[in-house]
Amino acid sequence: GAGVSQSPSNKVTEKGKDVELRCDPISGHTALYWYRQSLGQGLEFLIYFQGNSAPDKSGLPSDRFSAERTGGSVSTLTIQRTQQEDSAVYLCASSLTYGSGNTIYFGEGSWLTVV
Amino acid sequence: AQKVTQAQTEISVVEKEDVTLDCVYETRDTTYYLFWYKQPPSGELVFLIRRNSFDEQNEISGRYSWNFQKSTSSFNFTITASQVVDSAVYFCALSDQTGANNLFFGTGTRLTVIP
Repeated sequence: GAGVSQSPSNKVTEKGKDVELRCDPISGHTALYWYRQSLGQGLEFLIYFQGNSAPDKSGLPSDRFSAERTGGSVSTLTIQRTQQEDSAVYLCASSLTYGSGNTIYFGEGSWLTVV
Repeated sequence: AQKVTQAQTEISVVEKEDVTLDCVYETRDTTYYLFWYKQPPSGELVFLIRRNSFDEQNEISGRYSWNFQKSTSSFNFTITASQVVDSAVYFCALSDQTGANNLFFGTGTRLTVIP
């Protein structure tokens, strides 16, 4: 596609429910990233993929968070048993390859509210 | 460790005024990249510029200009003749090899241009 596409744009969920956030990167981009932006905060790096592989998962806030990428394209970020502190904008991004200096292009984000 | 500091949390200017957004970074790497992104109210992070550590030439793109000074570890962004459409949150970011080539963001500067 022309840009990074994320869905849903907005999600309101009840505490304790699971949510799935989807990201469709720019066509041909092998690297994919997830960031989180909490209200009034900067951007927090969560995880990146090179192809379908995620070499470093240490940025995920807790074991309730997981992410996968299949076919070297679409990625899903799953949050289990959501908590109110999970409320944030989840931004997905992609770049042509992985490595310092690659320009990373962002989607519009998925706004998650846990009530 | 990597660190990006944007000391200005919020700035307000009157339309047509010039404004400079400050960015100071820390890295132990000799090879690194600096970025500026714009985040309008829609939420999407829009890429503005990428600069590598070996290129200290200042850059101008229309009303935007960037001043990179390694001696002071700064990468400042100036908007000339500001317009209402420039109102957004602006993020400075750093990518280096020690940080596994991921983007480390500052906390952003919210710019409001008053008509």
